[in-house]
Amino acid sequence: GENVEQHPSTLSVQEGDSAVIKCTYSDSASNYFPWYKQELGKGPQLIIDIRSNVGEKKDQRIAVTLNKTAKHFSLHITETQPEDSAVYFCAAIVGGKLTFGQGTILTVHP
Amino acid sequence: NAGVTQTPKFRILKIGQSMTLQCTQDMNHNYMYWYRQDPGMGLKLIYYSVGAGITDKGEVPNGYNVSRSTTEDFPLRLELAAPSQTSVYFCASSYSRGLSGTYNEQFFGPGTRLTVL
Repeated sequence: GENVEQHPSTLSVQEGDSAVIKCTYSDSASNYFPWYKQELGKGPQLIIDIRSNVGEKKDQRIAVTLNKTAKHFSLHITETQPEDSAVYFCAAIVGGKLTFGQGTILTVHP
Repeated sequence: NAGVTQTPKFRILKIGQSMTLQCTQDMNHNYMYWYRQDPGMGLKLIYYSVGAGITDKGEVPNGYNVSRSTTEDFPLRLELAAPSQTSVYFCASSYSRGLSGTYNEQFFGPGTRLTVL
């Protein structure tokens, strides 16, 4: 069925390393791809989003890339810090509604 | 602005009981949403509303009801609670979609952790 697949489910890195999370989607009509960060005990919060008219967007240490032909998009975090430890969700528009991936638990070790 | 607020934070229900999860936003957003989050499963849309008096089903609406009498409030009602409804519930809101159909950031509340025993 129409969905959003996210990988990996867990990711462990050393402080200062880069982290990459990948998502694929099935609805070719999707034109909005946000990424949310969820800290323990809190609701998700938008950290970056990209629309289908651009291929890459950067905001300080985070960047998102989009390949519409292959229907996948990725989150890149550089120079990771312990405060980047959280659950990250990708999302895409499926059937006209925002649909979330399963989430990635990122742990950054000092 | 308080943003999106939810009450209660935690609740334990017995099978068959009912309850209402409250959600209020002070950002004058037209769109509001209810999600449930199960471990390792991401967020699933239960119901959403595009404005006062208008609601529609999401992906997993069975066992829930909603109403939207004001712009600010979007309560979620559970009738005859079942163990399968044990989850963390998030309310969210966003600005209306533009005429071009562009989507906007959803702002989430802190969640309600519900356990049905």
